[in-house]
Amino acid sequence: KNQVEQSPQSLIILEGKNCTLQCNYTVSPFSNLRWYKQDTGRGPVSLTIMTFSENTKSNGRYTATLDADTKQSSLHITASQLSDSASYICVVRNRNNDMRFGAGTRLTVKP
Amino acid sequence: NAGVTQTPKFQVLKTGQSMTLQCAQDMNHNSMYWYRQDPGMGLRLIYYSASEGTTDKGEVPNGYNVSRLNKREFSLRLESAAPSQTSVYFCASTSPIAGVPDTQYFGPGTRLTVL
Repeated sequence: KNQVEQSPQSLIILEGKNCTLQCNYTVSPFSNLRWYKQDTGRGPVSLTIMTFSENTKSNGRYTATLDADTKQSSLHITASQLSDSASYICVVRNRNNDMRFGAGTRLTVKP
Repeated sequence: NAGVTQTPKFQVLKTGQSMTLQCAQDMNHNSMYWYRQDPGMGLRLIYYSASEGTTDKGEVPNGYNVSRLNKREFSLRLESAAPSQTSVYFCASTSPIAGVPDTQYFGPGTRLTVL
């Protein structure tokens, strides 16, 4: 079983709508959690990083939350745009510097 | 600044053929990584190089070798390609600072098909 599970696997929403992507992890001991955006045919690009003490962090229309007690994170996208269509990957690092990648959520924003 | 570059972008091999994937970064980063990305799975670490002159195995190193040619370049070699190595390969780089979460910068990927 993967140490980082993301849901849903895929999601289709209309332009302008909001959505929330989920990430559950078992990686331990926890160091930080990062959300990446990966456009089709491109490498992942970092959106935000969260450490143990952070609950919420925003980057424009992207807001990430972290609950280290339940080992859950979410990425909320507000007022979606066509350019938000991509895969969103959750990556969790432990204190030994090992990283585990989730399989990603593929988001499609339709006009 | 080109960031992280990878060549080739696409490659088709026959089983048993060999090839080298090239990666270069111009950000003066110390650490470089090779990952593979397969459908329905997260990126998996093949090999990494924490600094020039050092290399270490990652999660899935079998069938691969690496060379950290200098600080800029980190190559991945498949000596005898197998269909199971059909994947998209990503190179990444970073410069870790103790106590500070570091960001990995990824290249555009190489899509490899082994027939």
